[in-house]
Amino acid sequence: DAKTTQPPSMDCAEGRAANLPCNHSTISGNEYVYWYRQIHSQGPQYIIHGLKNNETNEMASLIITEDRKSSTLILPHATLRDTAVYYCIVREFSGSARQLTFGSGTQLTVLP
Amino acid sequence: DSGVTQTPKHLITATGQRVTLRCSPRSGDLSVYWYQQSLDQGLQFLIQYYNGEERAKGNILERFSAQQFPDLHSELNLSSLELGDSALYFCASSVGGGAGQPQHFGDGTRLSIL
Repeated sequence: DAKTTQPPSMDCAEGRAANLPCNHSTISGNEYVYWYRQIHSQGPQYIIHGLKNNETNEMASLIITEDRKSSTLILPHATLRDTAVYYCIVREFSGSARQLTFGSGTQLTVLP
Repeated sequence: DSGVTQTPKHLITATGQRVTLRCSPRSGDLSVYWYQQSLDQGLQFLIQYYNGEERAKGNILERFSAQQFPDLHSELNLSSLELGDSALYFCASSVGGGAGQPQHFGDGTRLSIL
């Protein structure tokens, strides 16, 4: 799986959009981009994933650049409950390896 | 609520002992994954089962073993426990084993070795 680079920490004001960047410059054509978050010591929570196109669901939007070398997770109206570690993961969709490889993630702190 | 159930939530035991962690996947999910999260290692993949068969292995110690039963629940067995095995153990499930299918995690079992 391609390696990802994320800033270690970010702050965001409550009610504002939180934009979390991820660099995956070595991504290959058969790899998805996944985002998970982990609040304190709870289980990681799936947020969104995409291959080439931008994606949106009830939680967030995922913007993937045209060259697929980077992506941004957007939480449109951050709340205090969005404070968590956010993980950007690339995952190959062929071969035997199906696990998620977690890096260090970005600690997002939503400030009141 | 992810729909993945892990029991027990907390487990305290002593070195040298053996424990069993249990995971019930989401309804309809055939794949189960086990992960370990310790303070110094982050989230590490241990093993995957798909419909009762082992599919992939990660950094799982020989003292650890797992299985998935016909009803699709899974158990992770940890034996000859050491202090370093203290960690959070998460189970995740997905519909199949494909990379386009998200894994959904349970709330974990916190294992403390005294």
